[in-house]
Amino acid sequence: DQQVKQNSPSLSVQEGRISILNCDYTNSMFDYFLWYKKYPAEGPTFLISISSIKDKNEDGRFTVFLNKSAKHLSLHIVPSQPGDSAVYFCAASATGNYQLIWGAGTKLIIKP
Amino acid sequence: NAGVTQTPKFQVLKTGQSMTLQCAQDMNHNSMYWYRQDPGMGLRLIYYSASEGTTDKGEVPNGYNVSRLNKREFSLRLESAAPSQTSVYFCASSFGVAGLTLPSGNTIYFGEGSWLTVV
Repeated sequence: DQQVKQNSPSLSVQEGRISILNCDYTNSMFDYFLWYKKYPAEGPTFLISISSIKDKNEDGRFTVFLNKSAKHLSLHIVPSQPGDSAVYFCAASATGNYQLIWGAGTKLIIKP
Repeated sequence: NAGVTQTPKFQVLKTGQSMTLQCAQDMNHNSMYWYRQDPGMGLRLIYYSASEGTTDKGEVPNGYNVSRLNKREFSLRLESAAPSQTSVYFCASSFGVAGLTLPSGNTIYFGEGSWLTVV
């Protein structure tokens, strides 16, 4: 039973447009969410995070939105650049639990 | 800046063979982790070490053992490799224990991965 789901295995977006990556979760105890980015043959690298006390967090071109009632979060990348082509993982944790629970990832392809 | 370094990068094993994946971090982090990643699945925690001298099981510990040799090093051992252990393995580290001390800024830093095939 996957507690964190990224239902789109891949997403193709035109360079310069907005990329929206989605993540759904089932555990209402999750209170901290992270996005990681992974290039081929490299380990994941931290991108952005959000606490459940917020509904939005921005860092440059990256914005994460959290909808707690829907148990849904999304990562917006504006504008999309070729270097954004990578696999994006969503992860969630609950305070007091040692584990981060990871989604399966979404492969983002930015087309020229 | 080395960060998290893991070896070997690639390894092919025969069923029943043993091997150890080595990991070292130079960021003075307290916590270290071993994850595996399989196609179509997220990262799954095998073992973690919250601090030097302690280790705990994660989500999928069966078939693995770990050693926190010192603050810098955390190794993963497969005693008798099985084809089900074919995977990409990632070592990682953080200052605090991810999940327990988040969201105090304890970002997890990953190594580049080790591709293990068991035939």
